[in-house]
Amino acid sequence: DQQVKQNSPSLSVQEGRISILNCDYTNSMFDYFLWYKKYPAEGPTFLISISSIKDKNEDGRFTVFLNKSAKHLSLHIVPSQPGDSAVYFCAASAKVSGSRLTFGEGTQLTVNP
Amino acid sequence: NAGVTQTPKFRVLKTGQSMTLLCAQDMNHEYMYWYRQDPGMGLRLIHYSVGEGTTAKGEVPDGYNVSRLKKQNFLLGLESAAPSQTSVYFCASSYAGFEQYFGPGTRLTVT
Repeated sequence: DQQVKQNSPSLSVQEGRISILNCDYTNSMFDYFLWYKKYPAEGPTFLISISSIKDKNEDGRFTVFLNKSAKHLSLHIVPSQPGDSAVYFCAASAKVSGSRLTFGEGTQLTVNP
Repeated sequence: NAGVTQTPKFRVLKTGQSMTLLCAQDMNHEYMYWYRQDPGMGLRLIHYSVGEGTTAKGEVPDGYNVSRLKKQNFLLGLESAAPSQTSVYFCASSYAGFEQYFGPGTRLTVT
């Protein structure tokens, strides 16, 4: 049972445009959400997070939106840069599960110059 | 700070062989984790530890064992490797449990 799903395996955008990566979850106990970025042959690196008490969190070019009623979150990157080309994973956690994260399958973002 | 390091980076095993993957962190983190990443499946938690001397099962623990004898080290063992354990293994650590810092990964092939 895949509790966190990223339905788009890949996304291609032009440099300077907005990239929107989507993530859906099914477990209503999830109350903290994170996005990680992964380059080939490297480990994932933390990008941005959001608590369920908020609906938006912004950090520079990156903004995460959370729609609790739809159990949906999205990551917006504006403007997109070629260096943003990577695999993006969303992850979710619930206080009741302690320190465990559940990851989505990942979305490969390609930003074309 | 080296952060999270993993040894080895690559390994090829024959079916039935055993090996240990070592993870070390120098950030004084309490929590440590082992994940595997397979194509189209994201990262799946194998085992984790919430402190020195503790371990717990994750989502896919079968065929693996772990030990956390020292706070900075978390070992993942495969007693009898199987082709289904061919994967990329990532170790991670965190201070408070949520924002995790990952190592560079170990690519394991079992033939």
